[in-house]
Amino acid sequence: GDSVTQMEGPVTLSEEAFLTINCTYTATGYPSLFWYVQYPGEGLQLLLKATKADDKGSNKGFEATYRKETTSFHLEKGSVQVSDSAVYFCALSADAGGTSYGKLTFGQGTILTVHP
Amino acid sequence: NAGVMQNPRHLVRRRGQEARLRCSPMKGHSHVYWYRQLPEEGLKFMVYLQKENIIDESGMPKERFSAEFPKEGPSILRIQQVVRGDSAAYFCASSKGTEDEKLFFGSGTQLSVL
Repeated sequence: GDSVTQMEGPVTLSEEAFLTINCTYTATGYPSLFWYVQYPGEGLQLLLKATKADDKGSNKGFEATYRKETTSFHLEKGSVQVSDSAVYFCALSADAGGTSYGKLTFGQGTILTVHP
Repeated sequence: NAGVMQNPRHLVRRRGQEARLRCSPMKGHSHVYWYRQLPEEGLKFMVYLQKENIIDESGMPKERFSAEFPKEGPSILRIQQVVRGDSAAYFCASSKGTEDEKLFFGSGTQLSVL
């Protein structure tokens, strides 16, 4: 079955440091890939997505590139802020013609803490 | 435009009791998904519903768990005879259902079974 593996956390950084959170996946077909963010006490929010190989998703300074050859979708940000402290989830959606687009397979999440 | 509303935020039940979790999707959304998040794990898909229909329940435990999304009112996830292993955060998400449509998540219900 489909699966998503994220780097082990937690990750602790100083403000303005460079961030990378690794994500690799296993899936049949051509999945869409997502990064979701969960702030304390809130539900998950879509951060960015990519729907085909070599696509780059970007939002709020975060980027991730869909790499089919390495089955990866690593999240990066050049300069993190304290407000970026949250849990980050990598996820995939199998290509099912849109009939189950909301059926996602999630990684285990990576806790990011950014200190001033 | 209110987001996905889940209630209650916290629910405490004793073993053997029933738990009923409610989810009101965003206005205009007719597709609802339920996920469960066990401690230190990612979210796991449970069930996908449209109004009055269960579309995909491949992630639902075979016993004690049921879900509905009636024509009127919220979607309900029902857990009968709860056990300690049911303690988790339960998240609901909704969408319009089109292929490119974003999924919106609620803040979740934290179920604790004593």
